Amino acid sequence: GQNIDQPTEMTATEGAIVQINCTYQTSGFNGLFWYQQHAGEAPTFLSYNVLDGLEEKGRFSSFLSRSKGYSYLLLKELQMKDSASYLCAPMDSNYQLIWGAGTKLIIKP
Amino acid sequence: DAGITQSPRHKVTETGTPVTLRCHQTENHRYMYWYRQDPGHGLRLIHYSYGVKDTDKGEVSDGYSVSRSKTEDFLLTLESATSSQTSVYFCAISEGQGETDTQYFGPGTRLTVL
Repeated sequence: GQNIDQPTEMTATEGAIVQINCTYQTSGFNGLFWYQQHAGEAPTFLSYNVLDGLEEKGRFSSFLSRSKGYSYLLLKELQMKDSASYLCAPMDSNYQLIWGAGTKLIIKP
Repeated sequence: DAGITQSPRHKVTETGTPVTLRCHQTENHRYMYWYRQDPGHGLRLIHYSYGVKDTDKGEVSDGYSVSRSKTEDFLLTLESATSSQTSVYFCAISEGQGETDTQYFGPGTRLTVL
């Protein structure tokens, strides 16, 4: 079966760095997406990885290891507005996104 | 802003009544999707469309039907709403379904079935 595993909740301090891990098992693989979702709002696209390695985009970076079925999202210089849920979504062989339940990130001053 | 609107944004209805949710896009994207989101679950695909009159089922399609008579509109119908269909419904669009075709989401519809 297809499965996504992310921590349910994480807490970090403003100005610090946090890494949100995601492990996945899918039928085939066509890349992995990360989305951010603030409470009561729609998910918004953060990053896409299809090759192994690190993709950097400002304060956010995303890493992929296809052989390990593993990805992480790295958030630097945390701000209060980064308090949100972060959704990991690999794309399977049918180009369908398989969504994790998300990691709720709480930022404390 | 991907030019996606959903209506209504909130709806309360009673068990057994039909309900239709509308997703409207302004950018002629080929693919449109309906998801539901419930606490403790990831987004779950209900149905999707790859063109006018072309639709297919997702993983949780039972109890739902869809129609797409125009490129810009994708309708989700609950023929006879049940309490288990209380959820937040999101519409999404993408240009294609290839490796780099990111999905962009509408603002969501919160549906409560009493």
